[in-house]
Amino acid sequence: GAGVSQSPRYKVAKRGQDVALRCDPISGHVSLFWYQQALGQGPEFLTYFQNEAQLDKSGLPSDRFFAERPEGSVSTLKIQRTQQEDSAVYLCASSPNRAGGNQPQHFGDGTRLSIL
Amino acid sequence: AQRVTQPEKLLSVFKGAPVELKCNYSYSGSPELFWYVQYSRQRLQLLLRHISRESIKGFTADLNKGETSFHLKKPFAQEEDSAMYYCARAYGGATNKLIFGTGTLLAVQP
Repeated sequence: GAGVSQSPRYKVAKRGQDVALRCDPISGHVSLFWYQQALGQGPEFLTYFQNEAQLDKSGLPSDRFFAERPEGSVSTLKIQRTQQEDSAVYLCASSPNRAGGNQPQHFGDGTRLSIL
Repeated sequence: AQRVTQPEKLLSVFKGAPVELKCNYSYSGSPELFWYVQYSRQRLQLLLRHISRESIKGFTADLNKGETSFHLKKPFAQEEDSAMYYCARAYGGATNKLIFGTGTLLAVQP
């Protein structure tokens, strides 16, 4: 079956613009994660959904970042009034069940966001 | 704060040589540890996890609680092993989010 799908693959925006990044998890996966990966760094956690509930948003760097998963499947990460430090690869991952236990996460290809 | 440390940004070896990619974690209870790999132009994918104690593509990793390490090893490197390797631990609690190291680029020379 299809893996985690993210769109767009690349996004270039001018500073101050709003952007929206989409994630289609593996069908039926309950858990969905967003990570931010800056150049030369490992991925860093942003937020977590269990179905439609956002249970953890402790990694969101500011209130300009907003994520939703209204029907418990597709998720959107929105960044308002983008700044240059938002430039990074944004990764989405999903796993089959509720968080807890030793479950691997399946990653998408990511969206590479460049803010000019 | 929980941390995962990968001290080497780049590890270059010759084909057939042994490989050890280092990973240390900050101590906290019983960690759940993983190695993820990213081959060129591919997505991040799970290589192995400590709880399954399995060998994938000839790689093994042993959890050493005394040294708080989870080093990745392979006795004979192959050119196709060239990739970026990330060590990660699950934070646990309600989310099981992953905390990643900064990654080590393994380059296997012919």
